[in-house]
Amino acid sequence: DQQVKQNSPSLSVQEGRISILNCDYTNSMFDYFLWYKKYPAEGPTFLISISSIKDKNEDGRFTVFLNKSAKHLSLHIVPSQPGDSAVYFCAASANTGNQFYFGTGTSLTVIP
Amino acid sequence: DGGITQSPKYLFRKEGQNVTLSCEQNLNHDAMYWYRQDPGQGLRLIYYSQIVNDFQKGDIAEGYSVSREKKESFPLTVTSAQKNPTAFYLCASSTFSTQGRLFGYTFGSGTRLTVV
Repeated sequence: DQQVKQNSPSLSVQEGRISILNCDYTNSMFDYFLWYKKYPAEGPTFLISISSIKDKNEDGRFTVFLNKSAKHLSLHIVPSQPGDSAVYFCAASANTGNQFYFGTGTSLTVIP
Repeated sequence: DGGITQSPKYLFRKEGQNVTLSCEQNLNHDAMYWYRQDPGQGLRLIYYSQIVNDFQKGDIAEGYSVSREKKESFPLTVTSAQKNPTAFYLCASSTFSTQGRLFGYTFGSGTRLTVV
């Protein structure tokens, strides 16, 4: 059973606008969340993280929001740039866990 | 530079043959992982290892085998028992905080395996 879900397989956004990527999880033990960015034929690279003691974390153009009651997190990219076009994975782990659980990914296309 | 290296980048295998994918890290990470990526299915865990000489099955271990004889190395063998081995394979490593919290993964650049 998929414990981390990304229900939008793809998203297209105009350059300069905001991109919002969503992620839902089912396991209430998850307390640490990551976003990874992946280009074709390359390994994912770490983008941003958030702990459950926070509801927001910012790093430049990237902001992750966490809504624990809804078991939902989102990644905001603003302004979106063509180089942001990639597949984005969210991942979650529990405090005593020994692995991260990944969503199925959202393919973002930023249109120039 | 510290990192995680997967080789080869592309690999072709004939049906019925076993093939081994290499994964080496010089990050001094304790934990290593193998994932498989298929279109529309995200990253699925094959095997993982938290210490040398010990490893656990992930969600899709059937048809695969691993070893962890050295901390730095975690090779994956795709056996002939794997029914659909054509995929993109990713190796990752991580470590734990003193409180036992798993840090985020560092991934290799992947190996594309194609069965011909």
